[in-house]
Amino acid sequence: QIHLQESGPGLLRPSETLSLTCSVSGGSISTYSWSWIRQSPTKGLEWLGYISTSGVTNYNPSLKSRLTISVDTSNSQVSLKLTSVTAADTALYYCAKDRLFPRYWGQGVLVTVSS
Amino acid sequence: EIVLTQSPGTLSLSPGEGATLSCRASQSVPGNYLAWYQQRPGQAPRLLIYGASSRGNGIPDSFTGSGSGTDFTLTISSLEPEDFAVYYCHQYGSSPFTFGQGTKLEIK
Repeated sequence: QIHLQESGPGLLRPSETLSLTCSVSGGSISTYSWSWIRQSPTKGLEWLGYISTSGVTNYNPSLKSRLTISVDTSNSQVSLKLTSVTAADTALYYCAKDRLFPRYWGQGVLVTVSS
Repeated sequence: EIVLTQSPGTLSLSPGEGATLSCRASQSVPGNYLAWYQQRPGQAPRLLIYGASSRGNGIPDSFTGSGSGTDFTLTISSLEPEDFAVYYCHQYGSSPFTFGQGTKLEIK
């Protein structure tokens, strides 16, 4: 059974860079594709992007210039990096297994952007 | 971008009743690549249906997905107490993938 656990800073200032990691256990990270999705009261569920087994990424154009998703196979982690954050990036961030219709999700990590 | 509009926003029903939730897309969803998720308070979304009508692993047959093109439906045949939650549709046929705004299924 795949288990996902997100971690990262809970509070950021505007213009800072958000870095989140998703620790994967119970399966081989290189065998699957991975997605990031966030949820906020204002925007609901928002798909951010995915990284495939071959390392191909697909990002939401609304974030494309600021977002990077990567995989660290040696540490079995999926990472998200979002630059130049604003209050609009305040949300609960989920990592999930699979790129199209994610079947396994982490419990999410709450990120607040505030000065 | 494909916009998904779910209706109703809130559905008030009693246990044992049936529920019909709607998801309408702003344009045809390629391949009918439409999924449904259930989210209970404090939990991550749980996959119910993919490909418009295929049930996810361990999903009871009380949940049925149907539809094609721009109109999709999730039917719950007989509501159990644990079915009262928020339901989201999700299209993955066209990037950027998108989610509906959700239908809250509440106990009447």
